[in-house]
Amino acid sequence: NAGVTQTPKFRILKIGQSMTLQCTQDMNHNYMYWYRQDPGMGLKLIYYSVGAGITDKGEVPNGYNVSRSTTEDFPLRLELAAPSQTSVYFCASSPRGTVNQPQHFGDGTRLSIL
Amino acid sequence: AQTVTQSQPEMSVQEAETVTLSCTYDTSESDYYLFWYKQPPSRQMILVIRQEAYKQQNATENRFSVNFQKAAKSFSLKISDSQLGDAAMYFCAYGAGYGGSQGNLIFGKGTKLSVKP
Repeated sequence: NAGVTQTPKFRILKIGQSMTLQCTQDMNHNYMYWYRQDPGMGLKLIYYSVGAGITDKGEVPNGYNVSRSTTEDFPLRLELAAPSQTSVYFCASSPRGTVNQPQHFGDGTRLSIL
Repeated sequence: AQTVTQSQPEMSVQEAETVTLSCTYDTSESDYYLFWYKQPPSRQMILVIRQEAYKQQNATENRFSVNFQKAAKSFSLKISDSQLGDAAMYFCAYGAGYGGSQGNLIFGKGTKLSVKP
């Protein structure tokens, strides 16, 4: 089973560039999440989605945008990359919006902004 | 707002010995779950163990067990018979129960565990 797949695994961007981090899951999960993990820190929620067409902000949404046109895909867009966005980004999914259902994490995307 | 605190940035244990990682949390909710995740150098987030707040009994998973002290808001992880493969970052995480969130987790800063042969 593929589970949650994130692409790319690594990327280097220049300041001001834009890019989209891809996330797809094949488990038909309604809930999907984007977290960022800064060096030496835990994960922080950027955005989440409760189903196709519905997204909402998490703790640290500034500088990011998301969309959810299908159940499977939940891309994260950086419009104007800044050094503060250097981080590891994790996508996760869950069948329901309750934590008694374990979240399934992707392997992360390491992003460096130079 | 809920917070999760891991006060030990780094810990070290001798192979085959026991180590305890500490975690405290703050919440006003009564229905919640607590988790320990392992993150090896591969960056994967691996669920180690979870505890439902309404359960008095401490969770166990093979060599991993927790000491859940609800009144003290403490949730420590004990690793018995430590193995080289246990070396990783360990994150404590909190999740509000049904109706209290959208299923997202709040993470501590992590504890880096080294295992000496």
